[in-house]
Amino acid sequence: GESVGLHLPTLSVQEGDNSIINCAYSNSASDYFIWYKQESGKGPQFIIDIRSNMDKRQGQRVTVLLNKTVKHLSLQIAATQPGDSAVYFCAENPRGYQKVTFGTGTKLQVIP
Amino acid sequence: GAVVSQHPSRVICKSGTSVKIECRSLDFQATTMFWYRQFPKQSLMLMATSNEGSKATYEQGVEKDKFLINHASLTLSTLTVTSAHPEDSSFYICSARDQQSRIYGYTFGSGTRLTVV
Repeated sequence: GESVGLHLPTLSVQEGDNSIINCAYSNSASDYFIWYKQESGKGPQFIIDIRSNMDKRQGQRVTVLLNKTVKHLSLQIAATQPGDSAVYFCAENPRGYQKVTFGTGTKLQVIP
Repeated sequence: GAVVSQHPSRVICKSGTSVKIECRSLDFQATTMFWYRQFPKQSLMLMATSNEGSKATYEQGVEKDKFLINHASLTLSTLTVTSAHPEDSSFYICSARDQQSRIYGYTFGSGTRLTVV
């Protein structure tokens, strides 16, 4: 079936640098995308979301970019901090459905 | 903001017994909740959609007789793993959405680590 996937399973970043986490999705019917952060042993935590009528959305230290032409989503974290170390998931919500499908996840390791 | 509470956080049970996990929306009403399962170093896999006052909708491959879902009120959904076996050991997570919130994203519980011995 259609799925959401990620390019990089693990990303190591120096503290203070910017991080970019990528996600490819295949369901062209998806019109809502969400990035979640999951720390070990905890549930996913909402970071930022974007609707398909937008191509960029900014939050506090985070930016999500959406390229519908190539079905690509990215999460940019500015000035990465040790507390940002976690697994990041992109998720999609197909139009007309309530359920959310998760991608495979990227582990972000911040090097002090 | 919207808070989802999940209980228990950890449970160890003997093979063949049943375990009930609770998911509560603390400050909002949720007509729909979702149950996920996550194996180590893997993504969250949706098991079922829990609908208040009606039967749950299960994803393909999920045994509805093994994973019983009850959503009797607007703030509580329960997942019962019946006749648990070691292969059911996993991290179970629920989620819900506050439809009154301007934030569209779904809120997740803190998860339940189930170990079947």
